[in-house]
Amino acid sequence: NAGVTQTPKFQVLKTGQSMTLQCAQDMNHEYMSWYRQDPGMGLRLIHYSVGAGITDQGEVPNGYNVSRSTTEDFPLRLLSAAPSQTSVYFCASSYSLGAKNIQYFGAGTRLSVL
Amino acid sequence: AQKVTQAQTEISVVEKEDVTLDCVYETRDTTYYLFWYKQPPSGELVFLIRRNSFDEQNEISGRYSWNFQKSTSSFNFTITASQVVDSAVYFCALSERTNAGKSTFGDGTTLTVKP
Repeated sequence: NAGVTQTPKFQVLKTGQSMTLQCAQDMNHEYMSWYRQDPGMGLRLIHYSVGAGITDQGEVPNGYNVSRSTTEDFPLRLLSAAPSQTSVYFCASSYSLGAKNIQYFGAGTRLSVL
Repeated sequence: AQKVTQAQTEISVVEKEDVTLDCVYETRDTTYYLFWYKQPPSGELVFLIRRNSFDEQNEISGRYSWNFQKSTSSFNFTITASQVVDSAVYFCALSERTNAGKSTFGDGTTLTVKP
């Protein structure tokens, strides 16, 4: 099982450039999320999706767009990169079934904006 | 709004000591989930334990145990007989009942286990 796959693992951007962080899961989970982790801090929710075609904002959505056209994929788009977006980005997929509520994380994308 | 507080920023112990990581949370939900994750130096997030808000039974799993007290909104995590490989950042997280993907994380506790 591949689980949650994030690409790329590392990326360097210049201020103002745009890019898309890719996230794919092969577990048929209904929920997917994007988090960012800044140094010395926990993960903060950027956007999440409760199913194909449905997305919503998390705690820190500004500067990011998402879409969910399929169950498997949940790309995160940076429209115009800023140094404040330098961070490690984690994608996660999760399911809720009765008393079970589990979240699986990708390996992360380390992004530097110069 | 939900909030998770991990007051201990860093903890250092000597191998074989027991160590408890504290977590205090705030939520208006009556049903929710609490998690502990481990982030080793390699950077990935490793799921450790999950507790439902309606189940206050405390459990032990190998060297890990946890103490969930709804009355004090605390979800503490204990590692017994710590090992060097336990050195990592540990995160406590809180999620809604129906969506684990909408989680609020604490800022983490860095645990260093010295040989």
